[in-house]
Parts: sequence; structure tokens; C-alpha cells
Amino acid sequence: NAGVMQNPRHLVRRRGQEARLRCSPMKGHSHVYWYRQLPEEGLKFMVYLQKENIIDESGMPKERFSAEFPKEGPSILRIQQVVRGDSAAYFCASSRPGQAEEKLFFGSGTQLSVL
Amino acid sequence: GESVGLHLPTLSVQEGDNSIINCAYSNSASDYFIWYKQESGKGPQFIIDIRSNMDKRQGQRVTVLLNKTVKHLSLQIAATQPGDSAVYFCAEINSGGYQKVTFGTGTKLQVIP
Repeated sequence: NAGVMQNPRHLVRRRGQEARLRCSPMKGHSHVYWYRQLPEEGLKFMVYLQKENIIDESGMPKERFSAEFPKEGPSILRIQQVVRGDSAAYFCASSRPGQAEEKLFFGSGTQLSVL
Repeated sequence: GESVGLHLPTLSVQEGDNSIINCAYSNSASDYFIWYKQESGKGPQFIIDIRSNMDKRQGQRVTVLLNKTVKHLSLQIAATQPGDSAVYFCAEINSGGYQKVTFGTGTKLQVIP
């Protein structure tokens, strides 16, 4: 069973460009979470999605950031007009609905560097 | 609550000694707790979990203790090894409504050979 797959592993963008981060959950998982992590800091919740639905986006900046999890294909975290402060590691996690425990499985992350 | 932008506290332990990592959680309604380990450059990995109807659970070399009275979790690692060097996060889950997972700030464990 493949784990949670994130790509790209590293992404370099210049200020003002768009960044698209992809996450393919584990097989059978239909819940996806996105987290952001700055160096030497904890995981900051951004958004929680189920297939075709955003359940909780309370951690997402109101502007420039968006997330989707379509019926087919990976979940996408999109950052428009990136700024230097967007540089961070972005982790995706997935879980399976109906489990008694919401055990999250994490991907290896995408390291975004904004020049 | 949510992890905030604070630098990680660090715990330095001699190889072979026992490590104790502590975590305070925020929501008294949380009924499931998980410890994750994050090695440098990798995503967090599940270590051990505990439900709120328990106060102790043991795994291989790891033990989690839960004190609901003071909303406190601890992770004990026996005979700490260099491979245990990582950042450790606790997570709390409230099964009411959707199961939102909230991470603690994290603790960096440094094992001294």
C-alpha cells in the first residue's frame, strides 16, 4: 500500500508566481488535511477536506490560498501570488472515514521556497 | 488548541536514559490522543495512541500516560537511542461532530551519544 504521496518534494517560486501542491491520499482514504510548518515550529492546521467538500478552512489565509479535493485526482493546495512569507513545509495527511480513531497518515511534505 | 508560532522546546537526554515528553491539551471534550514523531525532513509518523477511558498505554519502549484531571499527556521512551532524536507532537481529537485533530506545539528530543 502506497502511503500519502505529495509532490513536488521541493518547489521554488519567485514572488508573484503561483504554487500548486499536490497530495494523493492513501488508498481508501477520503479525508485530507493540510498543515503548514515553519522551521523549528509546530504543525499549523490549514484546511480539512472530504471528497468535493471543504469541511473546515479556518486555518487558511483568506486571500491567495485555496484548496480542493475533487472526486477524481489528488487534493490541491494552491497559493497565488506567492510572497516570501509563504516559504514553509506543507504537509498533507489523510484518514479513512468511519474509523473509531481519526488516525492521520502524513506525506513527506512539500518544501516551498519563495525567492 | 492549534499549534502556534513558537519555537520548539528542546529536551536533551543521554543515550540509554529514559525520556519523558510532556504535553498539555486544551479541550476537555477530547477523547482520543495520539503521539507523533517527526524526523528531520520527513512527515510526522504515528507512535502510540490512547483513548480517554484509559490512563496508561504501553507500546514497544514507549508508554503514554493520560491525566484528564489536569489535561496532561506524557510520552515516556525507555532506553533512549540516537534514532529517537526527533520532534514529538501530541494530538488531541474530539470525536463529536467531525474528528478534528489538533496538534500541540511539539518538543525536540536530542539524544546525546
